[in-house]
Amino acid sequence: DAGVTQSPTHLIKTRGQQVTLRCSPKSGHDTVSWYQQALGQGPQFIFQYYEEEERQRGNFPDRFSGHQYPNYSSELNVNALLLGDSALYLCASSRLRAGSNQPQHFGDGTRLSIL
Amino acid sequence: GDSVTQMEGPVTLSEEAFLTINCTYTATGYPSLFWYVQYPGEGLQLLLKATKADDKGSNKGFEATYRKETTSFHLEKGSVQVSDSAVYFCALSPISSGSARQLTFGSGTQLTVLP
Repeated sequence: DAGVTQSPTHLIKTRGQQVTLRCSPKSGHDTVSWYQQALGQGPQFIFQYYEEEERQRGNFPDRFSGHQYPNYSSELNVNALLLGDSALYLCASSRLRAGSNQPQHFGDGTRLSIL
Repeated sequence: GDSVTQMEGPVTLSEEAFLTINCTYTATGYPSLFWYVQYPGEGLQLLLKATKADDKGSNKGFEATYRKETTSFHLEKGSVQVSDSAVYFCALSPISSGSARQLTFGSGTQLTVLP
């Protein structure tokens, strides 16, 4: 049973560029959340997708956008990259329909470096 | 808003020592509480959880009790091993019905166990 998978593992971009990160949720999960983890910090919630819609959003600018597909996979897009966007981006999935106490399962993340 | 405060690290212990990592939270109502562990180069793994006051979560020798009166969820283990070396994150998830439950994380505590 595959867990949460993210691609790519590492990515290097320059300021002003755009990037797309991808996530496939754990089998049976229908909800995908994205988190940004700066070096030495805890993850910060970016947004969550369920039924192909953004359901909640954290305190991130609209340069950060996302999408969820009918197969529940998701993308995180970041436009006009800044040096401060360098971080580990984590995807987490859960099964909302199973009840609100279900824990989130995390992927290994995408390490994004901005030069 | 919701917040989680964790004991400052790093923490260095000898093998078989007793471990305590303090965690306190601020939230409205009765959030669910979690401990996640992150090994080098990996994503977060759920270690244990508690969903209501006085619940005790436990896994792999680790324990934490949900204390509503002190708004705390301290992590303990009676005898640590070298393999427990990792970063530990305390997190909370607010009560919600039928909608997304974002996680709010503490800043993490780096644990190193020496043989």
